[in-house]
This record gives sequence, structure tokens and C-alpha cells, in this order.
Amino acid sequence: AIRLTQSPSSLSASTGDRVTITCRASQGISSFLAWYQQKPGKAPKLLISATATLQPGVPSRFSGSASGTDYTLTISDLQSEDFATYYCQQYYTQVYSFGQGTTLDIK
Amino acid sequence: EVQLEESGGGLVQPGRPLRLSCSTSGFTFSDHSMTWVRQAPGKGLEWVGLIRSQTYGGTAESAASVKGRITISRDESKSIAYLQINSLESEDTGVYYCSTSTSELPLAPLDVWGRGTMVTVSS
Repeated sequence: AIRLTQSPSSLSASTGDRVTITCRASQGISSFLAWYQQKPGKAPKLLISATATLQPGVPSRFSGSASGTDYTLTISDLQSEDFATYYCQQYYTQVYSFGQGTTLDIK
Repeated sequence: EVQLEESGGGLVQPGRPLRLSCSTSGFTFSDHSMTWVRQAPGKGLEWVGLIRSQTYGGTAESAASVKGRITISRDESKSIAYLQINSLESEDTGVYYCSTSTSELPLAPLDVWGRGTMVTVSS
């Protein structure tokens, strides 16, 4: 099974900050990487698919990129509604897997 | 609008089986794979398994952590997906989500989610 190692596990930041979350895949996944946002008591919400494609309605301050097996979610100009937990997920094979999650909270 | 609704959760004794349902509407169910994801209290998301669309054989995959204890199935006539878990353990406690992709491709991210159903395994 493909393992996704997400870092950091938690992150404190202030509104207006720029933050980066990294997800390292245990093998090549050919950009089949998605990012989700989850708020307490809610289902996850797909933010980015195929490494860098923003879903409709997702603000442009969210962006995704990759270098080799390292995938990155960047949030620029943090807003209050961005404080949540973020997960990466690979769908390169149909044995999917998620990263452990990164909780972003207010400093 | 694509909608998913899980049901069947609750308090279950260890060792007992449980079947969860995912009722769907707003799309052509038979054209889409259905995925189950769970989340233990205070923990991260764990992919449980999926069942492919009929186009791709209608076969299922499951995570190693539950392989042999779960059965994922689908009823095309009712547009419902099922997750049966046998020999429930305390580690199976959590919220179970069903999800799907509005894409019909076999490899696609999960852009539609249900609200989840809580399963508590306890004597």
C-alpha cells in the first residue's frame, strides 16, 4: 500500500500568514494527489485534485504543487475560515490512502 | 445535486456484525464507484474500501486493516451502497462516511461526501 507522510502534524499561524503543508508519498503517484479540508463535526471537503487543480468555489489563496514524490499545499493570506485540519489523499491506485492530517490553528 | 446519506450506525457489541447503508440520489449510481472512509474519535481519516462501478466490474477493494472482515456491496436497483463489518472490535468505533466522485473515471478524487454515521463498539 502507498503510504503518505504528512508534515507538520500541527501548525499555528495568524490570519494573513502564508503556510505550507507537505505530503510525501512512499512511491510515485503520478500527480494523483488530492487535498481535503475538514472542520470539526463535518465531512471532508475536496479542495484540490490532481496535485494542483482547484475545485470550483475554492479560493485562489489555496494552491498545490509537487516535486518528485513530495506534494505541497500552500495557503496564502490565511483567513479565519481556513483554520481546520487538512489531509492529502492518493488515488493513484484504487487502494486509496490518506495522510495523517495537519491541524492548522490560530496562533 | 448529488447527495449521499449514511445510515445504520449505532451502539454495537464487540464481535457482532453491522451493515451500514449509503443511500444516494442526484446521479447515475451505476456509473460511479463508491468509497467508505472512517474516522476514529479525534483521529484522522482512514480509507476503508470501495466498490467499483459496473462499468469497471463492480468489484471491491479494502484496506489491509479490515481485509477479511468487511464486505462492500451495491444494489443498483436501489442506488444504495453497503458496508458490512463482521466481528466488530473497539478499534472500529468512529464515524463512517460514504463518498464518491462525480467523475466516472476509476481513479478520481472524492468530491461528494455524506454526513457520516457514528458506530460505537462497546459492551
